[in-house]
Amino acid sequence: KQEVTQIPAALSVPEGENLVLNCSFTDSAIYNLQWFRQDPGKGLTSLLLIQSSQREQTSGRLNASLDKSSGRSTLYIAASQPGDSATYLCAVLFSGGYNKLIFGAGTRLAVHP
Amino acid sequence: SQTIHQWPATLVQPVGSPLSLECTVEGTSNPNLYWYRQAAGRGLQLLFYSVGIGQISSEVPQNLSASRPQDRQFILSSKKLLLSDSGFYLCAWGIRQQYSTDTQYFGPGTRLTVL
Repeated sequence: KQEVTQIPAALSVPEGENLVLNCSFTDSAIYNLQWFRQDPGKGLTSLLLIQSSQREQTSGRLNASLDKSSGRSTLYIAASQPGDSATYLCAVLFSGGYNKLIFGAGTRLAVHP
Repeated sequence: SQTIHQWPATLVQPVGSPLSLECTVEGTSNPNLYWYRQAAGRGLQLLFYSVGIGQISSEVPQNLSASRPQDRQFILSSKKLLLSDSGFYLCAWGIRQQYSTDTQYFGPGTRLTVL
């Protein structure tokens, strides 16, 4: 069964810390992996998309890496700010699963001043 | 630019009542359309997707149905709601492909509470 797991489920850090969110998936045959941000009661905003042939993607203070062989991705947030507080979701498009993103349950991040 | 709308934003319905949630997309043509549900403390689960008018694929057996009466309109329905239908419903669109591996863009969601 194709599954996506995110650790930790929740994280609380002081402002300014660098932090890492983890995502693991059960099958290395994937098309791509995406990281989304969800604010409370809101929809999802795409942060980074990593194709299966790529190792990492960067956008501003965010860096996502992908290791297909070990079934892992990490989202690195540099110099965290209170505005980064949200739930971060990892989603995988497994090979053969066209149109069907499999989501993790998310990591709920709180950055306090 | 593309915009995706969902309504209503919030809905409280009694068990056994019907349901109709609507999603519309602007600024693009022939999109793929998707319905997801997010239960409390869980990840999003794909319910339906559509690659064209009248073409609906169901991912999980359930109490819900979907329709696509127009190119940029996607409707989620139920004849009789169950308590387990409560959740946060998200509509998404993507570039049209029969076998899509592209990213998806999400709407603001509808919070449904069934009492």
